[in-house]
Amino acid sequence: DIQMTQSPSSLSASVGDRVTITCRASQSISDYLNWYQQKPGKAPKLLIFGASSFQSGVPSTFSGSGSGTDFTLTISSLQPEDFATYYCQQTYSAPHTFGQGTNLEIK
Amino acid sequence: QVQLVESGGGVVQPGRSLRLSCAASGFTFSSFALHWVRQAPGKGLEWVSVISYDSTHKYFADSVKGRFTLSRDNSMSTVYLQMNSLRPEDTAVYFCARESGLYGSGNYDSLGTWGQGTLVTVSS
Repeated sequence: DIQMTQSPSSLSASVGDRVTITCRASQSISDYLNWYQQKPGKAPKLLIFGASSFQSGVPSTFSGSGSGTDFTLTISSLQPEDFATYYCQQTYSAPHTFGQGTNLEIK
Repeated sequence: QVQLVESGGGVVQPGRSLRLSCAASGFTFSSFALHWVRQAPGKGLEWVSVISYDSTHKYFADSVKGRFTLSRDNSMSTVYLQMNSLRPEDTAVYFCARESGLYGSGNYDSLGTWGQGTLVTVSS
């Protein structure tokens, strides 16, 4: 099974900050990497698919990059509504494992 | 609009069974692969299983393999997760999610639409 290691597990930042979350796969997954945002009590929401493609409606402050084993999610200027938990997921090979999540908190 | 509604959750004793349903509306159900993802209280997301659009491919997490089965009824626009030999560690909110693209085999795609989840509690 492919293991997904996400870092950091938690992050404190301020509105307007630029933040980067990384996700590393235990083997190459090409670009079959997705990013989700989840707020408490809600279902996850797809942000980025195929490592770098935007889901419709996602603000342009979000961007994704990477291929192979190393990936990043960047939020260029944090907005109040961006404080949430973020997960990466690989869909290259079943089981389609998620990273352990990054809890983004307001500083 | 595109919608997924899970049902069937509840409290069940260890070793017993439960069947979850995910009813879809607003899209051509028979053209999309469907996944189940769960989240234990206070924990992260765990992928559980997927069934391809035509039911020819089914994949499961190691933690549920041999205990959970998956089926779909395209005439009812519903996917079913049959959970047998339940354990306390199966306690979680179970989400149903649809792949973003058409005619998925269960690999390579993202999960673009999610239901609101149904809570399963395994406890004596």
